[in-house]
Amino acid sequence: QQQVKQSPQSLIVQKGGISIINCAYENTAFDYFPWYQQFPGKGPALLIAIRPDVSEKKEGRFTISFNKSAKQFSLHIMDSQPGDSATYFCAATGAGGTSYGKLTFGQGTILTVHP
Amino acid sequence: DTGVSQDPRHKITKRGQNVTFRCDPISEHNRLYWYRQTLGQGPEFLTYFQNEAQLEKSRLLSDRFSAERPKGSFSTLEIQRTEQGDSAMYLCASSPVGAGELFFGEGSRLTVL
Repeated sequence: QQQVKQSPQSLIVQKGGISIINCAYENTAFDYFPWYQQFPGKGPALLIAIRPDVSEKKEGRFTISFNKSAKQFSLHIMDSQPGDSATYFCAATGAGGTSYGKLTFGQGTILTVHP
Repeated sequence: DTGVSQDPRHKITKRGQNVTFRCDPISEHNRLYWYRQTLGQGPEFLTYFQNEAQLEKSRLLSDRFSAERPKGSFSTLEIQRTEQGDSAMYLCASSPVGAGELFFGEGSRLTVL
């Protein structure tokens, strides 16, 4: 029940295209859903996050779509650029209290954007 | 503010040896986390501290693992009697209390031969 399932494992898109990564969770206690971006040799860095009281959040070229009833959320990268090539992780946690930073991560998606 | 700092960045050791990793969090952050990441997987939560108190430990943290944060500043993660299965990247992260964003260090990569 603690798992977060992420797909696809890898994704190749052309520059300017749309990259879409999907995640599903089972634990209904989760109420904070961040996406992290990781470049080789670096630690993960927060990209964008959403709470289940909204169905969509947009920051620049990055959008999270959230479907509470289906327990699914996705990351959309518009106008994908070669610099977006990285590994993307979805994550989930129960916000507040002691569990806030105890993230359950998905398995990761390796995104390659071709010029 | 130079971010979360981890040392050493790489450690190669023989099975059965003890290793210790150090993490220096962002100075004003009360919370400090340890995660483990194996190749091709997402990070897995190990333990976390609020100031000097260790508030939660994962069942992944066997009795060979011990973490401390003695003065509520830097933290150490020690692995005793290392096994080949301990080979992984050990990530440290910090955050202010009540904030959702974790700030990760670049990790300490452990290879057990």
